Amino acid sequence: DTEVTQTPKHLVMGMTNKKSLKCEQHMGHRAMYWYKQKAKKPPELMFVYSYEKLSINESVPSRFSPECPNSSLLNLHLHALQPEDSALYLCASSHRDREETQYFGPGTRLLVL
Amino acid sequence: GQNIDQPTEMTATEGAIVQINCTYQTSGFNGLFWYQQHAGEAPTFLSYNVLDGLEEKGRFSSFLSRSKGYSYLLLKELQMKDSASYLCAVSLPSNDYKLSFGAGTTVTVRA
Repeated sequence: DTEVTQTPKHLVMGMTNKKSLKCEQHMGHRAMYWYKQKAKKPPELMFVYSYEKLSINESVPSRFSPECPNSSLLNLHLHALQPEDSALYLCASSHRDREETQYFGPGTRLLVL
Repeated sequence: GQNIDQPTEMTATEGAIVQINCTYQTSGFNGLFWYQQHAGEAPTFLSYNVLDGLEEKGRFSSFLSRSKGYSYLLLKELQMKDSASYLCAVSLPSNDYKLSFGAGTTVTVRA
């Protein structure tokens, strides 16, 4: 089983809203990732959690706030976003210690109005 | 910065073979991944090369030359469902397996 699930699939929010994206995996992976992908562009890494601790923040604006409540869950809290933040947000996970392949979830398509 | 180059677009006929090249110049190298991404969907893992040589998986094969900073993905017996973007990604040395992606190659398969 190489399934990573993400909710919601689609999200429309205003610039003053607060919302959260959720990601879940039950593969025992200890590394989880958030990526942002704009149309016709490759995924851009935002955050990496390793053993539930934030290990990489790629200089992401503070209006994006990640959280890893436990080893299976990863959240991305959104607040005061801008229209240019509209994109596909992808979650991925990897075993980290045994093999490094990252498995991606289906993504959340976010539109900021 | 990392430099990973692949062609933007390729078109081929159903049943044919297509080779997607990827060249890289990066600050370190652990291995190279190929992912397939259909429009509006998540990338799905195709292959991973660490050592030089050819890895074959059914209709798809991937080749790596570390000394030349070069890889290719070979798609054989093309099917319409192979129309997608193909992403080359280099795994960089770090504790957390950071991937650096190329811009992707859009392959269109025509009947």
